[in-house]
Amino acid sequence: NAGVTQTPKFRVLKTGQSMTLLCAQDMNHEYMYWYRQDPGMGLRLIHYSVGEGTTAKGEVPDGYNVSRLKKQNFLLGLESAAPSQTSVYFCASHRKQEPNYGYTFGSGTRLTVV
Amino acid sequence: AQKITQTQPGMFVQEKEAVTLDCTYDTSDPSYGLFWYKQPSSGEMIFLIYQGSYDQQNATEGRYSLNFQKARKSANLVISASQLGDSAMYFCAMREGGGKSTFGDGTTLTVKP
Repeated sequence: NAGVTQTPKFRVLKTGQSMTLLCAQDMNHEYMYWYRQDPGMGLRLIHYSVGEGTTAKGEVPDGYNVSRLKKQNFLLGLESAAPSQTSVYFCASHRKQEPNYGYTFGSGTRLTVV
Repeated sequence: AQKITQTQPGMFVQEKEAVTLDCTYDTSDPSYGLFWYKQPSSGEMIFLIYQGSYDQQNATEGRYSLNFQKARKSANLVISASQLGDSAMYFCAMREGGGKSTFGDGTTLTVKP
């Protein structure tokens, strides 16, 4: 059981470039999330989805877009990368009927924007 | 106002001793969940323990227990019999309605041999 898989694991972008981070889960989870973690800090919510075809903004959505065309996939797009988006990005998921279960996290994507 | 506050940026504990990591939270929602996660130096996030706002008893999972004081809005993590492998960053998080969680800034725990 793969759980939550994030690709790529590492990426270096130039300012202004765009890219898409992919999160795939094989647990049939309804809820999926994208967080970013800056050095020495906790996780901040970028966008989230409560089901296929639905997305919503989190705490820090500016500069990012998301799509959830299939239940198992949650894509995070950076339209025009900026150095302030240098961070570690985590995808997480959980089942709607199990709110008392913690998130299952992906292993993270370390993104550097130069 | 910060919803989750972890006031201890770093903590040290001797191997085999117990340690308490502090977490206070702020919410007006009567229904919420409190979580602790561990992040080792390798970077992955690992779910440790959950406490529901209506739970009467403190949650326990092996060597982890959650000291839940609802009136004080605190949810401290207690690790008993610390091991070297417990050295990591620990995050407290709160989930209100809708499933999304808010995380604290974390506490770095170092276990000394």
